[in-house]
Amino acid sequence: EDQVTQSPEALRLQEGESSSLNCSYTVSGLRGLFWYRQDPGKGPEFLFTLYSAGEEKEKERLKATLTKKESFLHITAPKPEDSATYLCAVTTSGTYKYIFGTGTRLKVLA
Amino acid sequence: SAVISQKPSRDICQRGTSLTIQCQVDSQVTMMFWYRQQPGQSLTLIATANQGSEATYESGFVIDKFPISRPNLTFSTLTVSNMSPEDSSIYLCSAFSGQSYTGELFFGEGSRLTVL
Repeated sequence: EDQVTQSPEALRLQEGESSSLNCSYTVSGLRGLFWYRQDPGKGPEFLFTLYSAGEEKEKERLKATLTKKESFLHITAPKPEDSATYLCAVTTSGTYKYIFGTGTRLKVLA
Repeated sequence: SAVISQKPSRDICQRGTSLTIQCQVDSQVTMMFWYRQQPGQSLTLIATANQGSEATYESGFVIDKFPISRPNLTFSTLTVSNMSPEDSSIYLCSAFSGQSYTGELFFGEGSRLTVL
């Protein structure tokens, strides 16, 4: 069964303390891996798409990487406004459906 | 990209009643999706709504409980029927951009339902 697992469930960082969020996937035929940010009371906001192992994408303090088994979202020198839930999702060959992980709740303290 | 608006943004409902959630996209899209997000859980796909055809429901979701309309390429509704407290959740509308069947999925702000 296709599965996406995110860790940790929750993470508290001091402002400026860099860290990484993990998204592990077990799927048959990865087509794409997606990262989203979700603020409380809001819908998920698209961040990155990764399609092949070795691919990297960057946006401000965020950098997403992909291997054949997992993806990392690296947060460099985070600020309190980076506090949110970060969701990972995958799509597989032959389907348009997304499979979502349960997310990592990130809290960055000033 | 696609900008998606949902309403209501939140509501408190009585057990046994029904509520319809509206979803408006700022451009024509082929595929629209309805998700449920329960506290502490991942997004669960309820159904796929394509214009001109019946919605396709995922396992565990049925049309009698979650009827969906898709009258045109920019609009859809989801009704949560005969609600119980277990239906308390955030309901999210989403779509791929344009006629795409792949790529980035865009989401509305969500509709938070509380059933008493």
